[in-house]
Amino acid sequence: GAVVSQHPSRVICKSGTSVKIECRSLDFQATTMFWYRQFPKQSLMLMATSNEGSKATYEQGVEKDKFLINHASLTLSTLTVTSAHPEDSSFYICSASPTGPQTFSNQPQHFGDGTRLSIL
Amino acid sequence: AQSVAQPEDQVNVAEGNPLTVKCTYSVSGNPYLFWYVQYPNRGLQFLLKYITGDNLVKGSYGFEAEFNKSQTSFHLKKPSALVSDSALYFCAVRDYTGTASKLTFGTGTRLQVTL
Repeated sequence: GAVVSQHPSRVICKSGTSVKIECRSLDFQATTMFWYRQFPKQSLMLMATSNEGSKATYEQGVEKDKFLINHASLTLSTLTVTSAHPEDSSFYICSASPTGPQTFSNQPQHFGDGTRLSIL
Repeated sequence: AQSVAQPEDQVNVAEGNPLTVKCTYSVSGNPYLFWYVQYPNRGLQFLLKYITGDNLVKGSYGFEAEFNKSQTSFHLKKPSALVSDSALYFCAVRDYTGTASKLTFGTGTRLQVTL
């Protein structure tokens, strides 16, 4: 089945550090990937839609200069949390749907295992 | 705007008993509905989806869900629960627009299966 790999699984770093999270689709191509943030005991909040070869689309209230997204190829999207602070500590999850003749709508999204970011 | 409601924060079931996790949705067009499961510190795993056709959809690990258009519901069910089913379950809806479109998730329901 479709596999999405997310790396690293856990990051602990000092305030002010920039952190890069990678999301790879291992056995399919994905024109579009999604980045979510999940707070403890809460649902997933869509942060942005990552589009291969073009700018990401950010959800309202998400700082694009804080959360930099790059989708350089059909199998890789990266999220960089710039100058991270303790309030950025969270569980970040990416997802992707296979690109193909079918529309996106009836394809399930496949999720990475998430990255737990802890800023001291 | 599309939305999903999962009215129960937690569902407790004894192993071997049937389980139901409730989900209702609201969309402007035809709904594409999904159930996902999340284990601790992991991403979401796809369980099943409803696109069109039979209202009863069968998915992974013995789970099934029933689409009810009149009640705008898509409840997740399993005839006999296992302790290993204990996890966080999310219902999601996608409104068909013909282009890449976003999933909207419910708030999640924690399923606790006990011996």
